[in-house]
Amino acid sequence: AQSVSQHNHHVILSEAASLELGCNYSYGGTVNLFWYVQYPGQHLQLLLKYFSGDPLVKGIKGFEAEFIKSKFSFNLRKPSVQWSDTAEYFCAVKTSGAGSYQLTFGKGTKLSVIP
Amino acid sequence: KAGVTQTPRYLIKTRGQQVTLSCSPISGHRSVSWYQQTPGQGLQFLFEYFSETQRNKGNFPGRFSGRQFSNSRSEMNVSTLELGDSALYLCASSSPNNEQFFGPGTRLTVL
Repeated sequence: AQSVSQHNHHVILSEAASLELGCNYSYGGTVNLFWYVQYPGQHLQLLLKYFSGDPLVKGIKGFEAEFIKSKFSFNLRKPSVQWSDTAEYFCAVKTSGAGSYQLTFGKGTKLSVIP
Repeated sequence: KAGVTQTPRYLIKTRGQQVTLSCSPISGHRSVSWYQQTPGQGLQFLFEYFSETQRNKGNFPGRFSGRQFSNSRSEMNVSTLELGDSALYLCASSSPNNEQFFGPGTRLTVL
């Protein structure tokens, strides 16, 4: 069965620091990749997605992610974090067939940004 | 466009009872998926419905069931509640271009 690993459970950064959150998946076929964010008290929101094409994808709020097929990775990056980026971040993979929709999520990484 | 809505937002039940949760997808979305979110297990897929048919199912016991109506609204039902069913239940609707949008969830507490 497919799985998604997020290596960091909790990351603490100061404002203006750079961010990189790791995500690895185990599936050898075609994948659609996502990063979602859950701000405190709010619902999951889509940050960015990769389906095909340019492996460097840009999302909302200055986030980007790079798909490296050979490493089965889809790491999330932001050059300079803000206090408002404090949230939990989830990597997800869609591996079901074209006719159905199922996301497999990582366990999430909590990001705390210190002003 | 209105987002995914879920009712109720909070529920408290006792062991052995059953519960029904409701989800209204974004207008025009025909696929509705349900997930369970807990601190220990994270987000786990329950099932997906498309055009009133269950298209995909996760690894949950038969006490968890769902259905979808002709207007794409969906309900999920949990019978014979157990303490371990306490969780945030999330509904998501999928756009034709494979983006999944989540609702605010229903927080179920089983006492």
